[in-house]
Amino acid sequence: QKEVEQDPGPLSVPEGAIVSLNCTYSNSAFQYFMWYRQYSRKGPELLMYTYSSGNKEDGRFTAQVDKSSKYISLFIRDSQPSDSATYLCAMSAGGGGNKLTFGTGTQLKVEL
Amino acid sequence: DTGVSQDPRHKITKRGQNVTFRCDPISEHNRLYWYRQTLGQGPEFLTYFQNEAQLEKSRLLSDRFSAERPKGSFSTLEIQRTEQGDSAMYLCASSLGFNAGSFGQPQHFGDGTRLSIL
Repeated sequence: QKEVEQDPGPLSVPEGAIVSLNCTYSNSAFQYFMWYRQYSRKGPELLMYTYSSGNKEDGRFTAQVDKSSKYISLFIRDSQPSDSATYLCAMSAGGGGNKLTFGTGTQLKVEL
Repeated sequence: DTGVSQDPRHKITKRGQNVTFRCDPISEHNRLYWYRQTLGQGPEFLTYFQNEAQLEKSRLLSDRFSAERPKGSFSTLEIQRTEQGDSAMYLCASSLGFNAGSFGQPQHFGDGTRLSIL
């Protein structure tokens, strides 16, 4: 079993929809949680970064962390075709530098 | 802030050849990481440097792989005697970290070097 599980999709939604992306994890030592967006043939781009449990909002994006359930979410409001990409969750225990453990990524397509 | 730069963007080579990739991190970042990403998977950690010191290596990094960061600035990743299974995207990331072993700031990635083994 992988340390971080993420539904690979693909997920297809109409423009303007609210998108919910999720990851579960098994390592209780994870304290730092990130969401990256990756376009085809590009590197991951940092979207959200949170520490421990709680919510964080940045524009159309909201990240939620529930450490008790080992579950994290990313919500995208008013989705746009330009949001079409693969979304990767990533986590770190904080020790040993901050090497990241990634999910497999969810492929999202926002259609006109 | 010019971002993390990787060169080349794409490398095609025959099985058994040696290849070397270069990464230039964001200038003020003292930490540098290498990851490998295969199709349909998330990136997997390979190794990281704090300044010029290589502090951790994944067991994914076989003895055919070597990474250096000689002056604490750019880094190179060399793969000797390439195999078909080495075909992947090799990603470099950098961040600011204050003490060896501490979390530091989030990582920023380059656009990777795509390695294709014929």
